[in-house]
Amino acid sequence: AQKITQTQPGMFVQEKEAVTLDCTYDTSDPSYGLFWYKQPSSGEMIFLIYQGSYDQQNATEGRYSLNFQKARKSANLVISASQLGDSAMYFCAMKYNNDMRFGAGTRLTVKP
Amino acid sequence: EAQVTQNPRYLITVTGKKLTVTCSQNMNHEYMSWYRQDPGLGLRQIYYSMNVEVTDKGDVPEGYKVSRKEKRNFPLILESPSPNQTSLYFCASSDRVRAQPQHFGDGTRLSIL
Repeated sequence: AQKITQTQPGMFVQEKEAVTLDCTYDTSDPSYGLFWYKQPSSGEMIFLIYQGSYDQQNATEGRYSLNFQKARKSANLVISASQLGDSAMYFCAMKYNNDMRFGAGTRLTVKP
Repeated sequence: EAQVTQNPRYLITVTGKKLTVTCSQNMNHEYMSWYRQDPGLGLRQIYYSMNVEVTDKGDVPEGYKVSRKEKRNFPLILESPSPNQTSLYFCASSDRVRAQPQHFGDGTRLSIL
């Protein structure tokens, strides 16, 4: 069965530094999409970045980049130059066969 | 404005009293899904629907029902709620295209006493 694993329940980072949030996945389907979402304390789910399984290059969206290592089945989120507003829960998700599964999430705290 | 609308946003109720959480999307999405979010467990899928009259169980369907009579609506029904269903619930919708992200509602916080 498809599975998403986020092994870091909580992470701390100093403001202006970069941080990597880990995500590994397990699927036998060759076609899938990987997503990262941010959930601030207000509760809404905010889409950040997408990576397709056939994409050759790592996705980037502003300060967010996705370190996609297909052979290792990992899709880590890198946030550069952290800001206080980046403090939130972050969820990795995988879409396959029109269905979607989420990891347990990582709570990121940015320290001033 | 493209959106997924859930109602109610908050509900406190008692064990055994049937309740329905409504979900409506205005983006003509085929795929809709319900999740519950509990601390340390992330988002767990309850039910999903790939189109009208097509629904399927997710990872935690026990105690829940859904229906998809119209494309835009996907209500979640708790026939006999119990305290272990106290949680934060999200409805989401998306295109079936792999690259399209899910759009989420604002969430419904249910407390079952």
